[in-house]
Amino acid sequence: QQKVQQSPESLTVSEGAMASLNCTFSDGTSDNFRWYRQHSGKGLEVLVSIFSDGEKEEGRFTAHLNRASLHVSLHIREPQPSDSAVYLCAMRGSNYQLIWGSGTKLIIKP
Amino acid sequence: NSKVIQTPRYLVKGQGQKAKMRCIPEKGHPVVFWYQQNKNNEFKFLINFQNQEVLQQIDMTEKRFSAECPSNSPCSLEIQSSEAGDSALYLCASSLSRTGGPQDTQYFGPGTRLLVL
Repeated sequence: QQKVQQSPESLTVSEGAMASLNCTFSDGTSDNFRWYRQHSGKGLEVLVSIFSDGEKEEGRFTAHLNRASLHVSLHIREPQPSDSAVYLCAMRGSNYQLIWGSGTKLIIKP
Repeated sequence: NSKVIQTPRYLVKGQGQKAKMRCIPEKGHPVVFWYQQNKNNEFKFLINFQNQEVLQQIDMTEKRFSAECPSNSPCSLEIQSSEAGDSALYLCASSLSRTGGPQDTQYFGPGTRLLVL
C-alpha cells in the first residue's frame, strides 16, 4: 500500500524566514507530486506540482523532488502571517487518486 | 483559484438519517473525486468519476455510500444511514484528466462538513 509520511507535524517560523516542509513516500513508482495548503475552515489550494526530479518554483513556493531518496520538500520564501495554514503533500497513486501526507501546521509569527 | 462549488457547507444529521451533499466541478472538468478528511487530517479516497461513469470506489462506498455525476446536473454523494464515524469534511475535487502531468491537477471545493449526532 502506497503511503506518504510528512514532517514536521507543526512548525513555527518568524515572518520573512524560510519555512521548509518534508514528505517521504513509500515507493518510487509515482511521478506526480503536489503541495496543497488548507486555511482553517477552507478548502484545499494547490501550490506547486512537480513531475520530475529537481526543483519547481511557483512564486514564493519551491518544491524539490528526489525520487531516488523518496523525498519531496516544499520551501516557502519570505513567509507572511497569511501563509499560516495546514500544508499537505500529495502523491498520485497507482489508481489515480491522491495519497496524502498527514499535514504540517505552519504558523508564521509577525 | 478553484471554481469547484460544494453545497451545503455544513450538514447536521442524526444517526440513521440520510445525508446528501452536492458538487459542481469546474467547467470542462470531466473527472471528479470525492474524499473524506477527518479531524486528524487523514484523507480517505471514496470514489471517482469520469463524466457519468464510476472509475474506482472503495469498499466503504459500496455499502452505505452512493454517488453519481449525472449529465447536466451536480454530482452528489449520499450516505444512506449516517453513523457517528461519518462525521468529517467531505471534499470534492475535479480535474481535466487523470493521465498524468499538469492536466490531472485536482482542484478542490471548500468541502461539506458533516456532523452526525
